[in-house]
Amino acid sequence: SQKIEQNSEALNIQEGKTATLTCNYTNYSPAYLQWYRQDPGRGPVFLLLIRENEKEKRKERLKVTFDTTLKQSLFHITASQPADSATYLCALESNAGNMLTFGGGTRLMVKP
Amino acid sequence: KAGVTQTPRYLIKTRGQQVTLSCSPISGHRSVSWYQQTPGQGLQFLFEYFSETQRNKGNFPGRFSGRQFSNSRSEMNVSTLELGDSALYLCASSPRQGVSSYEQYFGPGTRLTVT
Repeated sequence: SQKIEQNSEALNIQEGKTATLTCNYTNYSPAYLQWYRQDPGRGPVFLLLIRENEKEKRKERLKVTFDTTLKQSLFHITASQPADSATYLCALESNAGNMLTFGGGTRLMVKP
Repeated sequence: KAGVTQTPRYLIKTRGQQVTLSCSPISGHRSVSWYQQTPGQGLQFLFEYFSETQRNKGNFPGRFSGRQFSNSRSEMNVSTLELGDSALYLCASSPRQGVSSYEQYFGPGTRLTVT
């Protein structure tokens, strides 16, 4: 069955550094991959969507890559700020149809 | 534009009861999808409605149902509540059908506690 893995351990980095979060998947080939940010007690907020024929996408300080051979997406936040501290979720098109399957999320902590 | 709104924000129910949650999408959005979020299972897709029709359904029992009205507002119903139904229920809207291919705008969620 399809499986999505995000590092369940919190990622702690220093302000100003680049944060890199990983999303690995197995047993299927999604056409779309999305990244969301979620703060405690709030709903997820959409960040980026990348298609299988796109290798990389950028939005301001954010960059996402989609390697369909490695079955992996990397999410980068450059010049990180304490306000970037949150849980980041990757979501893939499900192999069961036009649905989203979410990873467990990675908590990012940016220290000043 | 106002964001996605969900009511109520918090709800406490007893096992065996039923519950109805409401979602108002962003104006102009015709797709509404529902998700369940728990610490153990994470965020899981329940179903998507578009133009008053259920388009996709996740792997949940028939106790979970929903509907969408002509103004795109949506309700989700859970019958015969179980303790394991305690969760944050999130609603998301999108201007087009297909949750995986278009960005989703999430509401704040309804926190359901079943005792």
